[in-house]
Amino acid sequence: LAKTTQPISMDSYEGQEVNITCSHNNIATNDYITWYQQFPSQGPRFIIQGYKTKVTNEVASLFIPADRKSSTLSLPRVSLSDTAVYYCLVGDYTGKLIFGQGTTLQVKP
Amino acid sequence: SAVISQKPSRDICQRGTSLTIQCQVDSQVTMMFWYRQQPGQSLTLIATANQGSEATYESGFVIDKFPISRPNLTFSTLTVSNMSPEDSSIYLCSVVWGGSGNTIYFGEGSWLTVV
Repeated sequence: LAKTTQPISMDSYEGQEVNITCSHNNIATNDYITWYQQFPSQGPRFIIQGYKTKVTNEVASLFIPADRKSSTLSLPRVSLSDTAVYYCLVGDYTGKLIFGQGTTLQVKP
Repeated sequence: SAVISQKPSRDICQRGTSLTIQCQVDSQVTMMFWYRQQPGQSLTLIATANQGSEATYESGFVIDKFPISRPNLTFSTLTVSNMSPEDSSIYLCSVVWGGSGNTIYFGEGSWLTVV
């Protein structure tokens, strides 16, 4: 199972775009990249998932370069309620995930 | 997406007792998993709950301490046995859900405090 590396913490201000980059140098051919958001005392919430290129949904975009060794989660116009821990994970749908420490995003007014 | 319900959502337990956590999914899923998240830490996989057979445990977790049942494709239980304060954690159920693409969803967690 591939492991990921992401910044421990990031600060931003309301209304700004936030980009969180994740490194996964040992990603396997059949691995997908998934990002989760977690608030204190709650389960991780699925944000977005992709295999290559760019994926966009109503809350975020995911950019994956051709070599797939990294990915970037983009959150447009963050608000205070986006303050949370964001996890980047790679896996092949076996369901077994190795969680890193995640990125604690602090959004300031 | 899959809707996953966990019970209890929160409990305070006495040292030496056992508590069973339930995980109910609103649709049939092949794969179910149990994770633990200790205070201030990330999630750690405990085991894969296999339907109709014994659970598969990850290194550091044993059946005697964390017995798991999976009687059907929508339900599983995790028991935390002979609890100590070190077992104070959030316990999370997750499933692989097909839908439009296999995605892993998590329940809201069961927050146990052992006193």
